Amino acid sequence: GAVVSQHPSRVICKSGTSVKIECRSLDFQATTMFWYRQFPKQSLMLMATSNEGSKATYEQGVEKDKFLINHASLTLSTLTVTSAHPEDSSFYICSARDRTGELFFGEGSRLTVL
Amino acid sequence: DAKTTQPNSMESNEEEPVHLPCNHSTISGTDYIHWYRQLPSQGPEYVIHGLTSNVNNRMASLAIAEDRKSSTLILHRATLRDAAVYYCILRDPWFRNQGGKLIFGQGTELSVKP
Repeated sequence: GAVVSQHPSRVICKSGTSVKIECRSLDFQATTMFWYRQFPKQSLMLMATSNEGSKATYEQGVEKDKFLINHASLTLSTLTVTSAHPEDSSFYICSARDRTGELFFGEGSRLTVL
Repeated sequence: DAKTTQPNSMESNEEEPVHLPCNHSTISGTDYIHWYRQLPSQGPEYVIHGLTSNVNNRMASLAIAEDRKSSTLILHRATLRDAAVYYCILRDPWFRNQGGKLIFGQGTELSVKP
């Protein structure tokens, strides 16, 4: 089946630094990618929708200047957490939609901000 | 988005069938019923989906009520590897709803006892 890969799977950073998480569709072209955040014992919360070559659409309450999303190609989207703080520590998950509309999820990236 | 209601948790014994219920009384005529599951520290995994008729695949069966206001995911023989959070999600046809984003509810945490 289709594979979506996230990198890094785990990252630890100091408060105030920026962290970039990559989401790649390995064997299909993703017209749309979605970014989610998940805190411990909670469900996935949709952060934003990104379409290749255009600006991301953010969900209400998500700071677009804090969570920069770039979808420069049909196989890669990146999420940059700028000036990360401990409250940004979370499990970040991307999903990618292929041309038929099927959705595939990445393995997730666990961010820990010290 | 139409909402779904699931029990917070369920328990099952290994090798026994499991029936995971989902209520979606406000479902629209075009919403598909999707089920995903999430194992600990992993991204969600597609299980099954349907519109009106019952569906079977190698992972599970989906029984949809005649009025479509509820559905049941059936795992025919639970294994320890089936312990996960199961999410029942309504999805508008992708080309009509901002790319078919998935909005996750709280899901049902299934534990399987040996």
